[in-house]
Amino acid sequence: GQNIDQPTEMTATEGAIVQINCTYQTSGFNGLFWYQQHAGEAPTFLSYNVLDGLEEKGRFSSFLSRSKGYSYLLLKELQMKDSASYLCAVSLDRGSTLGRLYFGRGTQLTVWP
Amino acid sequence: NAGVTQTPKFQVLKTGQSMTLQCAQDMNHEYMSWYRQDPGMGLRLIHYSVGAGITDQGEVPNGYNVSRSTTEDFPLRLLSAAPSQTSVYFCASSARDRGLREQYFGPGTRLTVT
Repeated sequence: GQNIDQPTEMTATEGAIVQINCTYQTSGFNGLFWYQQHAGEAPTFLSYNVLDGLEEKGRFSSFLSRSKGYSYLLLKELQMKDSASYLCAVSLDRGSTLGRLYFGRGTQLTVWP
Repeated sequence: NAGVTQTPKFQVLKTGQSMTLQCAQDMNHEYMSWYRQDPGMGLRLIHYSVGAGITDQGEVPNGYNVSRSTTEDFPLRLLSAAPSQTSVYFCASSARDRGLREQYFGPGTRLTVT
């Protein structure tokens, strides 16, 4: 099966920087996604990495190392509204499973004032 | 452009009852998926479709059926509801021409089976 691991919970202070790690072991790889999910709401897309390196988008950045099966999501200048669950997901590249997303269990981030 | 819509938003069923969760998208996306989300378990793929007339099983397909007669609609049928199917169900869609880079999620259906 597919194995995607991320910490269950993290806390940080408003204005700080936080890094959420994700490691994966999957049968194939077609990209890594990060989603944000506020309580009671649907996940919303944050970032996508398919090549090694850092992708920056405003206060959010995502890094990928395919050789290490590792990614992280970096959140800068944290705001209260960033309190949410952050989901790491891997897309597979094999034939019949092309395009499927396999999710980690999510990291619940709490931002304190 | 409504995106991905799901109905109903909330549903309570008794054990053994059947029902259909509706999902529709107006973005002409080829790929559509059903997930369930349970506390501490993340999102798990139930069924998946790469286009009209084509469906495939995901990680947790038992107790669920799907069909894809049109590009827009992808209903999920619970054949005989069980308490273990109490969950939040999300439908999602994505476009092949964007390299499957982004899945758009519907607002979810919160199902309780008593």
